[in-house]
Amino acid sequence: GAVVSQHPSWVICKSGTSVKIECRSLDFQATTMFWYRQFPKQSLMLMATSNEGSKATYEQGVEKDKFLINHASLTLSTLTVTSAHPEDSSFYICSASRGLMNTEAFFGQGTRLTVV
Amino acid sequence: AQSVTQPDIHITVSEGASLELRCNYSYGATPYLFWYVQSPGQGLQLLLKYFSGDTLVQGIKGFEAEFKRSQSSFNLRKPSVHWSDAAEYFCAVGAGTGGFKTIFGAGTRLFVKA
Repeated sequence: GAVVSQHPSWVICKSGTSVKIECRSLDFQATTMFWYRQFPKQSLMLMATSNEGSKATYEQGVEKDKFLINHASLTLSTLTVTSAHPEDSSFYICSASRGLMNTEAFFGQGTRLTVV
Repeated sequence: AQSVTQPDIHITVSEGASLELRCNYSYGATPYLFWYVQSPGQGLQLLLKYFSGDTLVQGIKGFEAEFKRSQSSFNLRKPSVHWSDAAEYFCAVGAGTGGFKTIFGAGTRLFVKA
């Protein structure tokens, strides 16, 4: 159990376009989902926390208008990179948690975004 | 604020030798601690976790870690390294209510030489 799936696994888009990444909890209801960004050879940096049905909470320095997060259901959160630029190229990973009484978040396999 | 420090950016060990990766954390309450492994271009795989109880925890692939509250440490160990263990290792602390925010250390790259 506790499987989190991200789609797509990799995506290439043109500069100026928008791209959407999906994060799904396949066998549990995720009240909270997290989005991370990982630059090459660096650690994972938390971008935002999203709770189902409410606005996401962004970490300091993350542009909320550029990285749109929607958590419309208990099994799906989406991250949309708007007006993507080459510097947005990165590895994006989501994780999902069952909620307050849970003590672990489960990670997706990541999405490699390349903006050309 | 919660934080995780992995003092070694990279470590090289010979195949068959023992391994210890260091991790120190800063957290005001009882921490939930994790070790993850990431192969190049891949997602994260959970090696082991500590929530409470026995301070020596066993994980997958022959890894273990020991929680030492007095030293705020959670070092990862393996008695005999295999070439396939070469990867990036992340120590993490779980924090926050209303979900489970995971704070990662900078990572340690493990190289294994024949």
